[in-house]
Amino acid sequence: QVTLKESGPGMLQPSKTLSLTCSFSGFSLSTSGMVVSWIRQPSGKSLEWLAAIDWDGDKYYNPSLKSRLTVSKDTSNTQVFLKITSVDTADTATYYCARTLYYYDGTYYYPDWFAYWGQGTLVTVSS
Amino acid sequence: DVVMTQTPPSLSVAIGQSVSISCKSSQSLVYSDGKTYLHWLLQSPGRSPKRLIYQVSNLGSGVPDRFSGTGSQKDFTLKISRVEAEDLGVYYCAQTTHFPFTFGSGTKLEIK
Repeated sequence: QVTLKESGPGMLQPSKTLSLTCSFSGFSLSTSGMVVSWIRQPSGKSLEWLAAIDWDGDKYYNPSLKSRLTVSKDTSNTQVFLKITSVDTADTATYYCARTLYYYDGTYYYPDWFAYWGQGTLVTVSS
Repeated sequence: DVVMTQTPPSLSVAIGQSVSISCKSSQSLVYSDGKTYLHWLLQSPGRSPKRLIYQVSNLGSGVPDRFSGTGSQKDFTLKISRVEAEDLGVYYCAQTTHFPFTFGSGTKLEIK
């Protein structure tokens, strides 16, 4: 059974660095074709894709936030981390991680995007 | 960035009725591998998003066949036949063809 769970500080002050963890079970990020993404959602608003890391350690960032984002994974391939530097109130949101796995249709490999999501963790930036 | 425009912003329907939600993208969503990476998600109240449909028309695991997706290039539609009470929530379209991935603004479905 695939599960993902996000964790974070709950609240932090402006200008600090936000550190988030996505812990998962039922799969390993070392599996070829596996990708974990970070997506956030301010209260009452839509979703914003932030970053992703794949089984090979390749990283992908939203250019609008790239200078502030760092995505990484642990050596056991069961956790993915996201750091956001210099946070401000606009970073207040629920942060989700979501899994993608490439599948083989007999000819090629294709990504099966966002099939599994975590429950989300609310982060509030406030002084 | 690819802009995803969803309409209508909200819908109110009776149980058993059918509804359609439109999603239009500012660029073609056909990827170089020939696939179209347009997906539909449902966020039920207080819950995380759940993917309903991937690659325009493929039902996710466990998703009832009352849900269907159609479209191509830049114009897509989600149809819900015989709406049930559990279908209420906010529906989002999402594209993963072009970086950065982007989402529509959402369509809120209410039950009359």
